[in-house]
Amino acid sequence: KAGVTQTPRYLIKTRGQQVTLSCSPISGHRSVSWYQQTPGQGLQFLFEYFSETQRNKGNFPGRFSGRQFSNSRSEMNVSTLELGDSALYLCASSLSGANVLTFGAGSRLTVL
Amino acid sequence: DQQVKQNSPSLSVQEGRISILNCDYTNSMFDYFLWYKKYPAEGPTFLISISSIKDKNEDGRFTVFLNKSAKHLSLHIVPSQPGDSAVYFCAATSGTYKYIFGTGTRLKVLA
Repeated sequence: KAGVTQTPRYLIKTRGQQVTLSCSPISGHRSVSWYQQTPGQGLQFLFEYFSETQRNKGNFPGRFSGRQFSNSRSEMNVSTLELGDSALYLCASSLSGANVLTFGAGSRLTVL
Repeated sequence: DQQVKQNSPSLSVQEGRISILNCDYTNSMFDYFLWYKKYPAEGPTFLISISSIKDKNEDGRFTVFLNKSAKHLSLHIVPSQPGDSAVYFCAATSGTYKYIFGTGTRLKVLA
């Protein structure tokens, strides 16, 4: 069974640009969550989607947005990038969101 | 406000000895706790979990203990192996589909 796939794995952007990250969950998993990992901050919750609906949102500015498609694939977008957005962005899927999360390998974003 | 805290950023243990990783939380509504392990360049992988109705859960070399009155949980690894060297995260949830993670503890098992 294929795991959670995140693309791209690495990307470099400059301040002010926008970026879109993609996540394909495990087949059959309908919940997709996004987390930001930075040194010293652990994993910070961004948002969680189930059946194309955002069910919960973390404390991030409106520049961070996401969506989920009917096939459960999800994308997150960050607009007007800032240096502090440099981080590892992790996507996780689960059957319903209240189960164990299975993480992808992450997308490492560097903002210059 | 960091609701889940891992106060030890790093820990070194000799191979074969016990590793004890600690985690404290502040939200009494949390009812499910998990431990994840993360290697560099990989996503976190699930290790073990515990429900708030239990105080202990074992899986092979890994045991998680939960002390609800102290709002404290710990992960015991016995015996520790060099392959256990990784960053360990504890996480908690109150059933809101939102998991709160600690900042992680880097475990180094010395051969």
